[in-house]
Amino acid sequence: GAVVSQHPSRVICKSGTSVKIECRSLDFQATTMFWYRQFPKQSLMLMATSNEGSKATYEQGVEKDKFLINHASLTLSTLTVTSAHPEDSSFYICSAADRASSEQYFGPGTRLTVT
Amino acid sequence: GEDVEQSLFLSVREGDSSVINCTYTDSSSTYLYWYKQEPGAGLQLLTYIFSNMDMKQDQRLTVLLNKKDKHLSLRIADTQTGDSAIYFCAESRWGKLIFGQGTELSVKP
Repeated sequence: GAVVSQHPSRVICKSGTSVKIECRSLDFQATTMFWYRQFPKQSLMLMATSNEGSKATYEQGVEKDKFLINHASLTLSTLTVTSAHPEDSSFYICSAADRASSEQYFGPGTRLTVT
Repeated sequence: GEDVEQSLFLSVREGDSSVINCTYTDSSSTYLYWYKQEPGAGLQLLTYIFSNMDMKQDQRLTVLLNKKDKHLSLRIADTQTGDSAIYFCAESRWGKLIFGQGTELSVKP
């Protein structure tokens, strides 16, 4: 089946630093990737939709200058959490929509802890 | 309202059937999905149903859809301890997936 990877799987950073998370579709092309945030014991909240070669579309209440998204190729999208604060600590999950079938496949998630 | 809703917890004994319920909001959703999430992991698609169907069976999984009431359920037959996880229903809305809060299924031996 289709595979989506995320890197890193876990990251701990100090408050004020920036962290980049990569999402890759390994065996298919994805014109659209989605970034979600999940708090413990809660649902996935869609943060933004990332389209290859164009600007990301952010959901209401998500700061685009804080969460920078780049979708430079058909297999890679990156999420950069800028000037991270402890309240940004969360589980970040990406999904990629297969260009051929439109089916979404989820990555394994990245656990971000900001100290 | 805007939310997809699920009950938060379900506990069953190994070998029993589990039924996880979900209500959704958008009657124009084309597909409805069930995902499984194990601790610390991403989401695994279990099954989905097209909105013009009222039932879909896939091995131990049965999905029932009541479009009039916007009610979706997932039945797991012969539940095993390996089925312990959080189960999310999701509706497709304007190309995006909107998730419920997740139901934590606990299977006791």
